[in-house]
Parts: sequence; structure tokens; C-alpha cells
Amino acid sequence: AQTVTQSQPEMSVQEAETVTLSCTYDTSESDYYLFWYKQPPSRQMILVIRQEAYKQQNATENRFSVNFQKAAKSFSLKISDSQLGDAAMYFCAYKSGANSKLTFGKGITLSVRP
Amino acid sequence: DAGVTQSPTHLIKTRGQQVTLRCSPKSGHDTVSWYQQALGQGPQFIFQYYEEEERQRGNFPDRFSGHQFPNYSSELNVNALWLGDSALYLCASSFTGTRHYEQYFGPGTRLTVT
Repeated sequence: AQTVTQSQPEMSVQEAETVTLSCTYDTSESDYYLFWYKQPPSRQMILVIRQEAYKQQNATENRFSVNFQKAAKSFSLKISDSQLGDAAMYFCAYKSGANSKLTFGKGITLSVRP
Repeated sequence: DAGVTQSPTHLIKTRGQQVTLRCSPKSGHDTVSWYQQALGQGPQFIFQYYEEEERQRGNFPDRFSGHQFPNYSSELNVNALWLGDSALYLCASSFTGTRHYEQYFGPGTRLTVT
């Protein structure tokens, strides 16, 4: 079974600084997708960024980028120029190519200091 | 373009009762997945519906059942409620026709069992 591990329960970053959130996963599949979701106090789960395992290039979406290390099964999220609105819970999630369910990590609470 | 909607927003039930939660998918989506998110945890996959049939199921008892209607909307039913069923229930929709099967989440229904 696939598992997703987020070992840091909480992190804090100064506004305008850069922060990296860690995630590791375990799978025997070769075709899969990885995601980072953001869940603010409003509860709505918002997709931040997606990475396809077959792509070597790391995904980037504006201030958000990932460091995808397939051999190490590591998928970290870097947030640059952190903003107060980035404060939320962040979940790393996995989905195999032949299986549409998402497997989530336990999440990490990110706080942003003004 | 309306996103995923869920109703009701909040619900309070007593142990042993039954509850029905509703979800309308994003326009153009044909697949609905349900997740249970306990406080401070990542969402756990309950089941997924496609073409009005349960396509995949997570590790949840038969007390959890669902339905998908011809217009792709879906219901989640939980019978014989336990205190442990108190959680945020998230619905996610996707389109089974693209490689990515990207899932978009609704705002959730907060269920409290007393």
C-alpha cells in the first residue's frame, strides 16, 4: 500500500522569506502523481501544485515550486516570498496512474510571522 | 463556473442516527470521491463513484454507503452513527477522461455526533 509521510507537524516562516515543507512517500508503482494541497481555516482544500512522476522537471507555480527526487521518494514544497495568506495546513498527497484515490499525509501547519 | 458544492455546511446528530450528506460536482466532472477528515489529520478515502456505481472503496465499514445520480451529483449515507464518525466530510470531483484525474474539493460538511 502506498503511504505518505509528513514528519514535521508545524513550521513557521517570516513574511517575505522562503520555507520548505518536506514529504516522503512509499510506492512500488512507476506511474503516479504527487500533489500539494493547502487547507486554510475556511476548510476548502485548494490544489497548490502537481508533479507527474514521469516528468524529470520540477513543477513550478508562481511562488511555489517542488523538489521531486524520484529515487529517494521525496517531494518537498518550497514557498518563496512567503505571504500572510500562505498560513494554512499543507497536505502532501499521492495518486497512482491507475488508481484515482488520493492518499494524504498527516499535514503540516504553516504559520507566517509578520 | 460553479465549483464543487456540498450541503449542509454543519450537522449535529445523535449516536445511532443516520445522516445523508450531499455533493454537486464541478461542471463537466463525472466522478465523485468522498473523504473523511478527522480533526488535525489528513483526509481518508471513503469511496468513489463513477457512472452511478461505486468504483473504489477505502477501509470503511458498510455503515458508509453512497449513491451517484444521473446528473453526477452524489450522496454519502452513514448509518448507526458513532461518536468516532465526527469529522469533516469532503467531496471531490474529477473528470475521468484525462490522464491527470485531478480532484477538486468542496468546502466540506462538518458532522458532529453527540
